[in-house]
Amino acid sequence: DGGITQSPKYLFRKEGQNVTLSCEQNLNHDAMYWYRQDPGQGLRLIYYSQIVNDFQKGDIAEGYSVSREKKESFPLTVTSAQKNPTAFYLCASGVTGLADNEQFFGPGTRLTVL
Amino acid sequence: RKEVEQDPGPFNVPEGATVAFNCTYSNSASQSFFWYRQDCRKEPKLLMSVYSSGNEDGRFTAQLNRASQYISLLIRDSKLSDSATYLCVVPSGGYQKVTFGTGTKLQVIP
Repeated sequence: DGGITQSPKYLFRKEGQNVTLSCEQNLNHDAMYWYRQDPGQGLRLIYYSQIVNDFQKGDIAEGYSVSREKKESFPLTVTSAQKNPTAFYLCASGVTGLADNEQFFGPGTRLTVL
Repeated sequence: RKEVEQDPGPFNVPEGATVAFNCTYSNSASQSFFWYRQDCRKEPKLLMSVYSSGNEDGRFTAQLNRASQYISLLIRDSKLSDSATYLCVVPSGGYQKVTFGTGTKLQVIP
């Protein structure tokens, strides 16, 4: 089955630690995205990548880093510089070149900083 | 005006009712719009695309009003399983970038 997987589903981190969230897709999509969702707020874009070895900052990139070494994978690292990292993190992918910009989401990772 | 605005609700409606949500947007150049459905503590899932001519899929109808810069979602014959948060999505310029609304919560009551 084609889809997007994220791991882990739940993650607990101590303050001051970096943590990496995994996102893998087998939909053959060129574009991949990371969002965070906080209660009562819409999804906010952290980083996006349109093609392998290329990525751009989204609206709230501070304290995060990404890499795109393979088409299928777009891991997100939450660094200790991120002031409020507790959130629901969603990875998505989409087919570039289409006008309609549909995105398909993974099941998400809930990060809690203790 | 915010880039995308939605009434957060909740909209509490009885089963079988018709309910409509609006989503206003500020970028007049936006071309394609979407409605996503998000269940509690789950990821958003694409419900419908919205094009200039509108779109209908069973009990769901999406419309675009360019003059007033809003899109709408109409749900007829509401089911308990329609209870969810409905997010509107608007292209925000740039390649494959979109802006999500904060969502409208729908609760269908038996």
